[in-house]
Amino acid sequence: NAGVTQTPKFRVLKTGQSMTLLCAQDMNHEYMYWYRQDPGMGLRLIHYSVGEGTTAKGEVPDGYNVSRLKKQNFLLGLESAAPSQTSVYFCASTPAVGNTEAFFGQGTRLTVV
Amino acid sequence: AQSVTQPDIHITVSEGASLELRCNYSYGATPYLFWYVQSPGQGLQLLLKYFSGDTLVQGIKGFEAEFKRSQSSFNLRKPSVHWSDAAEYFCAVGPRSNDYKLSFGAGTTVTVRA
Repeated sequence: NAGVTQTPKFRVLKTGQSMTLLCAQDMNHEYMYWYRQDPGMGLRLIHYSVGEGTTAKGEVPDGYNVSRLKKQNFLLGLESAAPSQTSVYFCASTPAVGNTEAFFGQGTRLTVV
Repeated sequence: AQSVTQPDIHITVSEGASLELRCNYSYGATPYLFWYVQSPGQGLQLLLKYFSGDTLVQGIKGFEAEFKRSQSSFNLRKPSVHWSDAAEYFCAVGPRSNDYKLSFGAGTTVTVRA
């Protein structure tokens, strides 16, 4: 059972380039989240999804887009990368809201130069 | 809006000494509360959680946490720290309403000295 898998694990982008981060979970979870982690700021929620075909904005959504076309996948897109988006990105999923553990991927370290 | 505050950015503790990490939350009702640990270069692992009932909850790796409604706190404790407990610890609050966000504090880094 793989749990939550993030692809890629590392990436370096030039300013203005685009990319998509993939999060895949094999636990049939309804809820999925994208966070970014920066020193001293903890995990900040970018976007989240409460089910297939739905997405919603979190705390820091600007510069990112997401899609949840399939229940098991949650994609995070950067249309025009900026140095301020240099961060470690984590995906998480939960089977239900509130009362259950969130399962995290191993993270994607993104550097924008 | 819900929020989580971890007042201590960095704590250094001697191996074998006790550890307490503070967490305060802001929420309209009693939230679901969690503590997660992140070892260097790793994802987050759940230590323990509180939903209702006994306000003292036990978790993995010898950790416990106490929910205090009057203080809006959910502090994490361990009686005797091991070198392997060096990590970053995050308090999180999950909703009990139709707001589905899972929100984290800024984290506390724990250093264990021999």
